[in-house]
Amino acid sequence: KAGVTQTPRYLIKTRGQQVTLSCSPISGHRSVSWYQQTPGQGLQFLFEYFSETQRNKGNFPGRFSGRQFSNSRSEMNVSTLELGDSALYLCASSVDRLGEQFFGPGTRLTVL
Amino acid sequence: SQQGEEDPQALSIQEGENATMNCSYKTSINNLQWYRQNSGRGLVHLILIRSNEREKHSGRLRVTLDTSKKSSSLLITASRAADTASYFCATAVIHGSGNTGKLIFGQGTTLQVKP
Repeated sequence: KAGVTQTPRYLIKTRGQQVTLSCSPISGHRSVSWYQQTPGQGLQFLFEYFSETQRNKGNFPGRFSGRQFSNSRSEMNVSTLELGDSALYLCASSVDRLGEQFFGPGTRLTVL
Repeated sequence: SQQGEEDPQALSIQEGENATMNCSYKTSINNLQWYRQNSGRGLVHLILIRSNEREKHSGRLRVTLDTSKKSSSLLITASRAADTASYFCATAVIHGSGNTGKLIFGQGTTLQVKP
């Protein structure tokens, strides 16, 4: 089976812009979770989608949003980018909400 | 805020030696998972141990879980230079009626294995 894929792998944006990141889960996986990784804060949970519904959300501002499609693919959007949004954004998929989460390679976002 | 605390933050050993990393957490969990990350790349899933399990093995990896102490340890035996990476524990939190699909990560242990 192919692993979790994320596009794009690298992205450079300027403050105030918005960005959309995409995640394709492992075939058959219905749960997709997103995480932000920074040197200062480490790995932090953003949100989780299961069956096209957001099931849980981390402590991030409303500028961070996401959605999941009927084929389980997921997107996350960050509006009005700030310098502090520079990070590695990781998505993970799992068969359901109980088991192993398998991560994609991440999208490295740089905000200038 | 992050729930997991890992110890040590950094570990340097020689090839062939064993490496032990510890993780502590604060709340009730469904399971605990260990991951490896090389140089800011994606996380590689190593092993999952459920809250009703005490020990689990996978190749050169041995994980223990003590729910009474809210702690876990990862042992890598006969380490290799290729094991050089950051290792993270992540707890799958129980909330309300079930699981949340949310992992809470520790800060990680940076392991360097010298050839």
